Amino acid sequence: QVKLQESGPGLVKPSETLSLTCTVSGVSINSHYWGWIRQSPGKGLAWIGYIYYIGTTNYNPSLRSRVTISLDRSKNQFSLKLTSVTAADTAMYYCARLALGDLGEQGPFDIWGQGTMVTVSS
Amino acid sequence: DIVMTQSPDSLAVSLGERATISCKSSQSVLYTSNNQNYLAWYQQKPGQPPKLLIDWASTRESGVPDRFSGSGSGTDFTLTISSLQAEDVAIYYCQQYYSTPFTFGPGTKVDIK
Repeated sequence: QVKLQESGPGLVKPSETLSLTCTVSGVSINSHYWGWIRQSPGKGLAWIGYIYYIGTTNYNPSLRSRVTISLDRSKNQFSLKLTSVTAADTAMYYCARLALGDLGEQGPFDIWGQGTMVTVSS
Repeated sequence: DIVMTQSPDSLAVSLGERATISCKSSQSVLYTSNNQNYLAWYQQKPGQPPKLLIDWASTRESGVPDRFSGSGSGTDFTLTISSLQAEDVAIYYCQQYYSTPFTFGPGTKVDIK
């Protein structure tokens, strides 16, 4: 059974860097695309970015200048870093696996972690 | 960016009755080379992550009850719950994965009347 679990600080100060890790169990990260999505309190869902198992990344242009997603193959994990955070970055952060389409392309988010709430406040 | 809209914002349906949610994309999400619509539906219950119900506009995920069905093509899509059950109370989101940035609809809240 594939499981994803987010971890990281629940409180980050303004202007600092938000760092989260997603630990994947039940499958190797050496396949598929792996992504991050966030949901601001009471709001909808917003895609942050994804990383392909070979290391290529794709970020939402609205966050591109501040986001980095990386892989740690030895730990079967992938991570999110978001720099220069503000209160607007307060959200529930989810990691998720992207399914693969018939052409090997990105599909929908088929497996999600439970999410971790991050609050930006001094 | 492809903008996703949903209607209604919320609806209340009697148990056993049909619930219908509409999703529209600002541009087509039909990939003509494989004739697939890059459109998914998710269900989110309070305190839980979204759960993938339907992908490729009409393919139900394994384990999803057959009262859930998806239809549509191009820019207009529908999620139908044929006979609403108490456990279906949730917010439903559509999402396009045709092009990045991937985008979600604002959600439709489904309640029991």
